[in-house]
Amino acid sequence: GENVEQHPSTLSVQEGDSAVIKCTYSDSASNYFPWYKQELGKRPQLIIDIRSNVGEKKDQRIAVTLNKTAKHFSLHITETQPEDSAVYFCAARESGGYQKVTFGTGTKLQVIP
Amino acid sequence: GAVVSQHPSRVICKSGTSVKIECRSLDFQATTMFWYRQFPKQSLMLMATSNEGSKATYEQGVEKDKFLINHASLTLSTLTVTSAHPEDSSFYICSAREGGNTEAFFGQGTRLTVV
Repeated sequence: GENVEQHPSTLSVQEGDSAVIKCTYSDSASNYFPWYKQELGKRPQLIIDIRSNVGEKKDQRIAVTLNKTAKHFSLHITETQPEDSAVYFCAARESGGYQKVTFGTGTKLQVIP
Repeated sequence: GAVVSQHPSRVICKSGTSVKIECRSLDFQATTMFWYRQFPKQSLMLMATSNEGSKATYEQGVEKDKFLINHASLTLSTLTVTSAHPEDSSFYICSAREGGNTEAFFGQGTRLTVV
């Protein structure tokens, strides 16, 4: 099955700096890669996603890149704000079957004011 | 956006009892629902996948007789934790999807504490 690794596990940045979270996946058949933000005790919220036919996607301060050959994808947050502090999960969705989603191990981002 | 409602949000039960958690899609028909378990400071681990009207497919290591899943309609799936033990204490969260290749939406989760 799919295996998703995520780094770093914790990340502290100064407000206004950029944050980068990296993930790798194992199943080359996965074709959809969402990123979620989860605050303590809350449901994960989709913040951005990318499909395998696209190399990069941007939405205001958030961008995601995908390297299908290397099976890497990354989340970039620019001009970080304290409200960006949360746990972020990358995920990979299989293309066949039930299209199960496998989550990375999570990154706890702390933005220091 | 689509709304998935999960109840209860918190439940405390005694060891040996059973607890039922409901996951409802409020404004779409969910052909597929997923149940996850999340321990503190850990990732979401898929427990099982259910399609309406058919038996759930469980992930390796998940006891199907302990975690009963029923997806009887296109808007409701239930997870019953039978004979609960303290080690079953966790955050259980469902997600629902309308069809293939569409986004799955999460319920708000259920914090289960077994005492």
